[in-house]
Formats: sequence, structure tokens, C-alpha cells
Amino acid sequence: DIQLTQSPSFLSASVGDRVTITCRASQGITSYLAWYQQKPGKAPKLLIYAASTLQSGVPSRFSGSGSGTEFTLTISSLQPEDFATYYCQQLNSYPPFTFGPGTKVDIK
Amino acid sequence: EVQLVESGGGLVQPGGSLRLSCAASGFTFDRYAMHWVRQAPGKGLEWVSSIGWNGASVGYADSVKGRFTISRDNAKNSLYLQMKSLRAEDTALYFCGKDLDYRYYGLDVWGQGTTVTVSS
Repeated sequence: DIQLTQSPSFLSASVGDRVTITCRASQGITSYLAWYQQKPGKAPKLLIYAASTLQSGVPSRFSGSGSGTEFTLTISSLQPEDFATYYCQQLNSYPPFTFGPGTKVDIK
Repeated sequence: EVQLVESGGGLVQPGGSLRLSCAASGFTFDRYAMHWVRQAPGKGLEWVSSIGWNGASVGYADSVKGRFTISRDNAKNSLYLQMKSLRAEDTALYFCGKDLDYRYYGLDVWGQGTTVTVSS
């Protein structure tokens, strides 16, 4: 099975900061990677799919990059509504469609 | 409006069974793969199972294989998860999700979740 790791697991940042979260796969997954944002008590929200394609309606300050085993989610200028937990998910090799352990972005 | 509504959760004793349902509306259900994802209290997301657009392709997490069965009824725009031999570690909020495509690219629509509690 493909394992995903995320770094950092916790990130403290200020409004306006540039934030980068990394997701690494234990083996190559081409570009079959999605990123989600989840706020407490809410269902996750799809931000990025196919590693770098911005989901409709998602602000352009979010971007994704990478292929193979290393991927990044970047928030170019953190906004108050971006404080949340972020998860990556691989959809290349199934089962399982593994999720990463999550990165919590908190207010500094 | 595209919408998914889960139901069927509840309190069940260890070893018991539950059947979760997910009612879909606002999109052409039989054109998309569907998923179940769960989240234990205070924990991260765990993929549970997926099913292709026509039900021919299914997959399960090792943690539920042999105990859970995913199915869909395209005529009823509904997704199901039959859960048997439930364990305490199956306690979680269960989400159903629609994929972006008939293949697997990511879950672009999620339900609000239904809570399963396994306890004596």
C-alpha cells in the first residue's frame, strides 16, 4: 500500500504569510493527488486535484505542485478563513486511496 | 443544488450491523464514482471504500475488508455501506463523497456525515 506523510504536522502562521505544506508518497503516484481543507465540525472541501488543478470556486491564493512522490500545497497569502487542517489524498493506486495524516494551520 | 445526505448511523453493540445510506441529488449520479470516508473523534480522515460508476469496481480499506460492503443503486440515486461485525474502532463520523469523474480524481462533493458509535 502507498503511504503518505505530510510536513509539518502543525504550522503556526500569521495573516498574509506564505504557507507551504508538503505531502510525500512512499512510491510514485504520478499526479493523482488531491488536497482538502477541513474546518472543525465540517466536511472536507476539495481544493486541488490532479496535483495542480484548482477546483472551481477555490481562491487563486491556493496552488498545488509536484508529481511522482513529492507534492506541495501553497497558500500565497494566508487569510483568516484559511486556518484549518489540510489533508492530501492519493488516488493513483487503489485500494486504498490513502489520506495523509493532516497539517493543522493555526494562528500565530 | 448538488447534495449528498447520509443516514443510518447510530449506536450499535460490538458485533452488530448497520447499513448507511447516502441520497444524491442535483447531478447525474450514474456518471460518477462514489466514496465512503470516515473520521474517528479527534482523528484524521480515513478512506473506507470506493465504487465505480456502474458498481463493477469496488475497493476497501484493509481495516474493513470482509466486514463492510459498498453498493449503489443508480435508479435510486443512492449509495450504501453495509457494515457487519462492527468493532469499537469503527466508531466515527462517516461521510459519503462524490468523485469529480467516473474515474478517481478526488471528492468534490461531501455529505454532512452520519455518526456511528460502536459500544456496549
